Amino acid sequence: AQSVSQHNHHVILSEAASLELGCNYSYGGTVNLFWYVQYPGQHLQLLLKYFSGDPLVKGIKGFEAEFIKSKFSFNLRKPSVQWSDTAEYFCAVRDSGAGSYQLTFGKGTKLSVIP
Amino acid sequence: KAGVTQTPRYLIKTRGQQVTLSCSPISGHRSVSWYQQTPGQGLQFLFEYFSETQRNKGNFPGRFSGRQFSNSRSEMNVSTLELGDSALYLCASLSGGSANEQFFGPGTRLTVL
Repeated sequence: AQSVSQHNHHVILSEAASLELGCNYSYGGTVNLFWYVQYPGQHLQLLLKYFSGDPLVKGIKGFEAEFIKSKFSFNLRKPSVQWSDTAEYFCAVRDSGAGSYQLTFGKGTKLSVIP
Repeated sequence: KAGVTQTPRYLIKTRGQQVTLSCSPISGHRSVSWYQQTPGQGLQFLFEYFSETQRNKGNFPGRFSGRQFSNSRSEMNVSTLELGDSALYLCASLSGGSANEQFFGPGTRLTVL
């Protein structure tokens, strides 16, 4: 079975600071990888996804993530955070060889950005 | 394009009762998944339906069941409610094809007293 580990439960940053949120997964097969964001009071939204090809993927709102297969990692980055990035961030993995689209999520990282 | 609709948005039940939650996917989407979100366990997969057939099921007791109708709308049912069933229940609508993106609804907040 797959599992996803997000290293930080709560991250507090000042505006303009750089962000890196860690995500590691355990699964030996081929995976699709996702980062979702949940702003306060809003739906889960897709930030970015990786299926294949260039391991550096760019998403919405200036976020990017790098897939490092040897480390089973898919860390999320943003060079300069804004107060509006305050939200909870979830990393998710899907077995791309399965017939199902089931996502396995990490426990999430809460990001608080101080103005 | 309208998003995923879930009804009701909030629900309060007592232990032992049963509950039915509804999800209408984005028009044209034929696949629906359900997830349970709690502070302790995070987001956990419940079921996935495609064209009225359950394609996959998560590790939940048999009290949790679901179905999908011919118009792609889906329902999930929880019988004999327990306090631990209090959670946000999320429905996701899958775009399919190469996009393979799940669009989440606002969820139904279930409180079991």
